[in-house]
Order: sequence, then C-alpha cells, then structure tokens
Amino acid sequence: EPEVTQTPSHQVTQMGQEVILRCVPISNHLYFYWYRQILGQKVEFLVSFYNNEISEKSEIFDDQFSVERPDGSNFTLKIRSTKLEDSAMYFCASSAGGAGLRGYTFGSGTRLTVV
Amino acid sequence: GENVEQHPSTLSVQEGDSAVIKCTYSDSASNYFPWYKQELGKRPQLIIDIRSNVGEKKDQRIAVTLNKTAKHFSLHITETQPEDSAVYFCAASKRGDDKIIFGKGTRLHILP
Repeated sequence: EPEVTQTPSHQVTQMGQEVILRCVPISNHLYFYWYRQILGQKVEFLVSFYNNEISEKSEIFDDQFSVERPDGSNFTLKIRSTKLEDSAMYFCASSAGGAGLRGYTFGSGTRLTVV
Repeated sequence: GENVEQHPSTLSVQEGDSAVIKCTYSDSASNYFPWYKQELGKRPQLIIDIRSNVGEKKDQRIAVTLNKTAKHFSLHITETQPEDSAVYFCAASKRGDDKIIFGKGTRLHILP
C-alpha cells in the first residue's frame, strides 16, 4: 500500500532556530497538507497546497511558517524561528482528490521538540 | 468556520459490547465526514467515511450514521475487540474547502 513518508521522525531544536520538516507524498496525489497535534490533543489543520500554491491556511500558519514543493516528490514545512509552543507532532498528508473527496493518507509524523 | 464537537472524551466498554461515539458539526454546508483511528504513537488512519447524501454506511463491525438536520454523526463499533482500543477522531469537510476539521478525539478502552 502506498505511504506518505516523513523525515525525520524526531527532531529536537533550540528555541529561535529554523527547522525544516520533510515529506514525500504518495506519487499520484495532487493535494498536500500539514497538520499538527500537540501531545494528547486534537489534530489541527495548518495548511493545504495544490498546484504549487497554498490553497488554504489556518490562523496557526503565520509568517513563521512556510511550505514548499522544491521538486517533484518532496513537500516541506519550514518554521523560521521556533518557539516552545511549536513543540508537537507534525503530520503531512496527501490526497488524490482533495480533502472532501477521498480523505487523507497521513504520514507517520515528525515529533518536534523545542527546548 | 467549521467546529466539530466530539463526545465522550473517554469511553470504556467490555470486550464484545458495542461502542458509540457522537459528533456534531456547526456548518450546514459540510458534506463529508471521515473517521480516523489513531493508535498510540502512530498516524491517524481513515477507517470509514460518509457523505451528506447518505444516512448510514457500514463496513463489517463499524458503522457511521449521519443526521443532516440535527448536524449529528456517530460511529458505532459492534462486538468490540482489544485491537479496537485507540483514539478515534471524527472530522468534517465541506465542498470548496480544502481542509478537514477534526474533533478532539475519543479515547476508547476495551476492557477484558
């Protein structure tokens, strides 16, 4: 079964540092997403990406966040200057037909710890 | 924007009994309602979904019902087994929005 791959699985960074979380979506999927989950809480929408541009973003996704699809396979989330409250599990997801059509396939997540 | 409320937050049932998790949504334009199961330390996985043109959908021991008028939808698990222990999230999405909004989750414990 095709999978969404995320790297690294766990990243520890100092407050104020930049981090890049990487994702390889399922190859024939066209819609890409980042979500985050603070420990024990719900899965929160950050951003959706289609046709090389952001299609939607939440209020969490402020100027500190950016996404990029640098080549035909990778999809990255950058946090420019990390804060303690950015500590969470970050999930990448992809979809063949958009969020409301077929749901998502999630990656296994990157646990970000900001110290 | 859309708000999804889910309850209970924790549910314990005896193995073999049924479990029901209920959700409400706020935006009457929402038309797609997936359910995800998340085992400890793992990714959420889609287990069943329902669209607004259908009132009920079943897949083996799992069923989902939707009441559009009341803006309620529910997950029913029958003949529960130990491997059903997990956190379950309901979610909603609407046509034209490219995102899914999740509820806060229900931690389901199956008791031996």
